[in-house]
Amino acid sequence: NAGVTQTPKFQVLKTGQSMTLQCAQDMNHNSMYWYRQDPGMGLRLIYYSASEGTTDKGEVPNGYNVSRLNKREFSLRLESAAPSQTSVYFCASSEAGGYGYTFGSGTRLTVV
Amino acid sequence: GENVEQHPSTLSVQEGDSAVIKCTYSDSASNYFPWYKQELGKRPQLIIDIRSNVGEKKDQRIAVTLNKTAKHFSLHITETQPEDSAVYFCAASTTGGSYIPTFGRGTSLIVHP
Repeated sequence: NAGVTQTPKFQVLKTGQSMTLQCAQDMNHNSMYWYRQDPGMGLRLIYYSASEGTTDKGEVPNGYNVSRLNKREFSLRLESAAPSQTSVYFCASSEAGGYGYTFGSGTRLTVV
Repeated sequence: GENVEQHPSTLSVQEGDSAVIKCTYSDSASNYFPWYKQELGKRPQLIIDIRSNVGEKKDQRIAVTLNKTAKHFSLHITETQPEDSAVYFCAASTTGGSYIPTFGRGTSLIVHP
């Protein structure tokens, strides 16, 4: 039982490059989330998917897109990376009502 | 929307002392209050949570208290140990509909041996 798996763990991009962060969960959770974590700013929600087939913007969605590929997978795409997107990105999933809220191990992204 | 304030941002204690971290929230509809511990370079992990129908919950050396009238909740760690050193996050949300927790900005707890 892997829980929430994120790939890659580390990535360096040049400004303007694109990339997709992958997230998969094996807990049969309905809801999935993407956060970014910056020093002193806590965890800020980028996008979330309350259930398969739906996605919604969170607090800081600009510069990102998401795809809920199926119940297990929720990807985050940066179309044109900017230095301001340098951060640690966490995926999370939960059952309905927030039970069993679980984070992935994170992706450390640096944009130069 | 919900707003969660967390204090202090940094807390330094001696091993064996108690530590208390406080959070306030704004939305009276919030009914679920989890706490997460994040060790350096690791993912946040749930350590304890409380729902609005109880005022206190304990799990060994950690406890959480909730005051719904005043809209605040606190994490209490007794007999602190160096391995308690981490960043702690509180969160508040409603469990109905789309579950979107609002996180506090975190408290860096340092336990000195």
